[in-house]
Amino acid sequence: GAGVSQSPRYKVAKRGQDVALRCDPISGHVSLFWYQQALGQGPEFLTYFQNEAQLDKSGLPSDRFFAERPEGSVSTLKIQRTQQEDSAVYLCASSPSGVNEQFFGPGTRLTVL
Amino acid sequence: RKEVEQDPGPFNVPEGATVAFNCTYSNSASQSFFWYRQDCRKEPKLLMSVYSSGNEDGRFTAQLNRASQYISLLIRDSKLSDSATYLCVVSPWDDKIIFGKGTRLHILP
Repeated sequence: GAGVSQSPRYKVAKRGQDVALRCDPISGHVSLFWYQQALGQGPEFLTYFQNEAQLDKSGLPSDRFFAERPEGSVSTLKIQRTQQEDSAVYLCASSPSGVNEQFFGPGTRLTVL
Repeated sequence: RKEVEQDPGPFNVPEGATVAFNCTYSNSASQSFFWYRQDCRKEPKLLMSVYSSGNEDGRFTAQLNRASQYISLLIRDSKLSDSATYLCVVSPWDDKIIFGKGTRLHILP
């Protein structure tokens, strides 16, 4: 079956631009997580959805970051007025429920110039 | 103390050797523990969950020490294909998950 997919795989943005990153989780997976991974670091938790409910957004670094999952499946992470420090790989993961085995997508590599 | 700490390595280990990593965590109430593997420029993939009684999967053994707040991963008879970054993952509660920065392992032929 299909795994988690993310698009675009690569995104180059000029400083100040808005970007939208998409995640298609595995069908039927209740839980969806977003992470930010800088070079040489482990993934840093951003936010968590259970179905359409955003249960934890404590990891979002600023109010420029916004995530939604309106129908409980596809999710979008939006970053407004991008800054250079936003450059990273953004990983999406889904799981049948909770934090048990998470299946990661290939990530979106964002470069802000 | 950081929430989850790992030795970043790299560990350079000859093929066939045994290698062990530790990972310490700060929240004594943590409930779930995992080891993930991440290859260069790839996404993390679950290697194994870590249970209180310890668990083994082939050449891999994971242990949990709640008293000292650490988990360990032991790899026996290491293969070239084991070269990767190993991420320690701790979940204090059901919707919170914290990754360590990872330990890089290089298996040398």
